[in-house]
Amino acid sequence: EAGVVQSPRYKIIEKKQPVAFWCNPISGHNTLYWYRQNLGQGPELLIRYENEEAVDDSQLPKDRFSAERLKGVDSTLKIQPAELGDSAVYLCASSPRRTGYEAAFFGQGTRLTVV
Amino acid sequence: AQKITQTQPGMFVQEKEAVTLDCTYDTSDQSYGLFWYKQPSSGEMIFLIYQGSYDEQNATEGRYSLNFQKARKSANLVISASQLGDSAMYFCAMREGGTGGFKTIFGAGTRLFVKA
Repeated sequence: EAGVVQSPRYKIIEKKQPVAFWCNPISGHNTLYWYRQNLGQGPELLIRYENEEAVDDSQLPKDRFSAERLKGVDSTLKIQPAELGDSAVYLCASSPRRTGYEAAFFGQGTRLTVV
Repeated sequence: AQKITQTQPGMFVQEKEAVTLDCTYDTSDQSYGLFWYKQPSSGEMIFLIYQGSYDEQNATEGRYSLNFQKARKSANLVISASQLGDSAMYFCAMREGGTGGFKTIFGAGTRLFVKA
């Protein structure tokens, strides 16, 4: 079974430029998460989808971040414009939804460097 | 508010010995789940073990076991017979149900070094 696939693995952009990350979750997983992980810290949730509905986006900086999950499968996270402080690893994860306590399975992440 | 505390920034263990990684949590919810993840240098978060708040038995998965002490709100990870490949960051996480909206939060992590 294929795991969570993210692309690109690495991205370097200049500040004020836009950037987008793509995630393909594990087949059949209807819950999808985007996390941001700063250096030396644990992941922090940005947004959680149940199918195509964003059920928790309270931590998403909506002035510059947007996300979508059309058709309830793949998802895209966008930053526009990027700031220096956005440099981090962006992790996508997915889980099946049965009880709400299922473990999330993560992709390898996208390391973003804003210069 | 949810809170996960991992007080050990770094731990050393001799190969083949057991090691305990500490995790304490704070929640007012009766229903919650506790997770441990491993993050090697490649960056991927690997799920290790899960403990539900209503589970009476401590969870075990191979060389991993979770020492769950509900009254003390602790969920320590025990790795038995450490291997060099166990060197990584380890994160404790908690998900509250119901009123917590199934939001998952992670601790700051513990870096484990396994010595040959």
